[in-house]
Amino acid sequence: AQSVTQPDIHITVSEGASLELRCNYSYGATPYLFWYVQSPGQGLQLLLKYFSGDTLVQGIKGFEAEFKRSQSSFNLRKPSVHWSDAAEYFCAVDDTGGFKTIFGAGTRLFVKA
Amino acid sequence: EPEVTQTPSHQVTQMGQEVILRCVPISNHLYFYWYRQILGQKVEFLVSFYNNEISEKSEIFDDQFSVERPDGSNFTLKIRSTKLEDSAMYFCASSGALLPRGLYNEQFFGPGTRLTVL
Repeated sequence: AQSVTQPDIHITVSEGASLELRCNYSYGATPYLFWYVQSPGQGLQLLLKYFSGDTLVQGIKGFEAEFKRSQSSFNLRKPSVHWSDAAEYFCAVDDTGGFKTIFGAGTRLFVKA
Repeated sequence: EPEVTQTPSHQVTQMGQEVILRCVPISNHLYFYWYRQILGQKVEFLVSFYNNEISEKSEIFDDQFSVERPDGSNFTLKIRSTKLEDSAMYFCASSGALLPRGLYNEQFFGPGTRLTVL
C-alpha cells in the first residue's frame, strides 16, 4: 500500500544548529514529493517540491531537501535553525498526477534557545 | 497575491446537524480539493474535484459527504449528519491546469475551517 512515513514525531534542536527531518515513501514509481510547514492554528505552506531533475531542491526560508531514489527518501534540511522555524512539518506525496496528495503524520519541531 | 479563502473560520454544530463549509478557490484554478486534520493528527485527503465531477475520493469520504461547485467561484463541502468524530480542521485547496510531468502546478491551501461537533 502507498504510504508516507515520518519516523520522528518530534525533534528538538538548538537555535543555530542544523536540522534534518526524515521522510520515506512507499510507491511503485517516483511520485511528486513535497514538504509543507504548519504553524500553530495556521494552514499549510509549501516549503519545496520535487518532480524530476536535480535531486537537491531548494525551498523557501532556507530549507532544502534531497531525493534519494535508492532509499525512497526525501529528507528536509536546514543548516541553521531559527526560533521562528518551530512548527509542524509534513512530508507529502502525490502519484496521481495532482488528484490526491497523501501526507505523512508530521514532525513537530521545537527550537530551544 | 491570490489566495484560497474559507468560511467560516470556526463552525460549531450539534451532532446530527448538516453543515456546509465554504471555499473560494483561486480564480483561474480548475482543480479543487478538501482535506481534513483531526486535532493532533495528520492531514488526510478527502476528495478532489475537476470539471464538476469527483476525480478521486478517500475511504473517509462516504455518503454523508458531498461536494459542489454551485457557481463560478465557490466550492463547498457538505456533511449531511455530523458525528462527533467529524470534529476537525477542514482545508480546501485548489490548483491550476495539470501539465505534463515536470510542470506540475502546486496545490494552494486555504487557512481552514475548524468544525466542532457537540
